[in-house]
Amino acid sequence: DVKVTQSSRYLVKRTGEKVFLECVQDMDHENMFWYRQDPGLGLRLIYFSYDVKMKEKGDIPEGYSVSREKKERFSLILESASTNQTSMYLCASSSWTGGGHFGDGTRLSIL
Amino acid sequence: KQEVTQIPAALSVPEGENLVLNCSFTDSAIYNLQWFRQDPGKGLTSLLLIQSSQREQTSGRLNASLDKSSGRSTLYIAASQPGDSATYLCAALSGGYNKLIFGAGTRLAVHP
Repeated sequence: DVKVTQSSRYLVKRTGEKVFLECVQDMDHENMFWYRQDPGLGLRLIYFSYDVKMKEKGDIPEGYSVSREKKERFSLILESASTNQTSMYLCASSSWTGGGHFGDGTRLSIL
Repeated sequence: KQEVTQIPAALSVPEGENLVLNCSFTDSAIYNLQWFRQDPGKGLTSLLLIQSSQREQTSGRLNASLDKSSGRSTLYIAASQPGDSATYLCAALSGGYNKLIFGAGTRLAVHP
């Protein structure tokens, strides 16, 4: 089975901190995605990557950046955390024709 | 731009009923359509994946159909159980970079 692992289930940070969320997949998938999920707003795509060192903006990239130095790892970076970035963050991976596989999510609180 | 809509937004039914959840998408040029389940505070679990060349997929009490020409997919749940209570999301894999585009979900409650 495909395994997508997010580094933390719960994380508490302070405003202004630089925050790193890590995601690793073990199925050699080309595509990786970062979403955030908020009540009433559903899943919104932040960034995605279709290859090593390649990245594309999703619907809400402001305040975030990403890094994909290795195929299996996709990192989401909050450059200067703000309280409106408190959310559930979900990472996913997929092949070009296969379905998406999600991690367990990271519930991030910014105080 | 692909948009995915799910109806109804919420559903509450007694145990044992057969259910139909609906998903529609605006751009028929999809690679596949996927149904997920999400329990509160958890990640997404894949239930069924229908490739664009397929019409349906089945897993146990779940059956999902796909009609690309009309831009619709349905998830059929037979003989619902309280353990089926969760939010069900559909997602279309589409676009030049194979983005997963999600609907807002259907929140299902099955009561004994």
